[in-house]
Amino acid sequence: NAGVTQTPKFQVLKTGQSMTLQCAQDMNHNSMYWYRQDPGMGLRLIYYSASEGTTDKGEVPNGYNVSRLNKREFSLRLESAAPSQTSVYFCASTDRAVTEAFFGQGTRLTVV
Amino acid sequence: AQSVTQPDIHITVSEGASLELRCNYSYGATPYLFWYVQSPGQGLQLLLKYFSGDTLVQGIKGFEAEFKRSQSSFNLRKPSVHWSDAAEYFCAVGNDYKLSFGAGTTVTVRA
Repeated sequence: NAGVTQTPKFQVLKTGQSMTLQCAQDMNHNSMYWYRQDPGMGLRLIYYSASEGTTDKGEVPNGYNVSRLNKREFSLRLESAAPSQTSVYFCASTDRAVTEAFFGQGTRLTVV
Repeated sequence: AQSVTQPDIHITVSEGASLELRCNYSYGATPYLFWYVQSPGQGLQLLLKYFSGDTLVQGIKGFEAEFKRSQSSFNLRKPSVHWSDAAEYFCAVGNDYKLSFGAGTTVTVRA
């Protein structure tokens, strides 16, 4: 039982490059989330998907796009990376009632 | 909109002493409440959660939390900390298909 799998674990981008962070869960959860974690700011919600086919903005959506490809997969895309997007990114999933969240191991992204 | 406030950015505690971390939430109804712990360079681990019922919740690693509706609080406690409890702790509130986190409290344990 893998839980939530995020790839890649580490990434270095140059300013202006694009990339997609992948996330997959095998718990049949309805809701999936992307957070970024920066020192002193906790986890800030970028986007979430309450169910397959829906996505909504969180606190800090600018510069990001998401795709809920199917119930299992929720990807985060940076179209034109900026140094301000240097952060640790976490994917998470919950059941519909948000009774417990399961997290991926994180992606450490550096934009130079 | 739901929100979570953790008033203490950093707490230093001696090994063997008690620990209390504060969490206040804002939400129209009773949300689901969580405490997570993150050790350096690691992911998040669930310590405990509250949905309803008994307002004192027991979790893993000897932690407990008390839900106080009148104060919109969900404070985390441990009677006697161990050096391995040094970590960052996050309070979270879930409802409306969203899970929102506080800014976190970093706990340092001194010998």
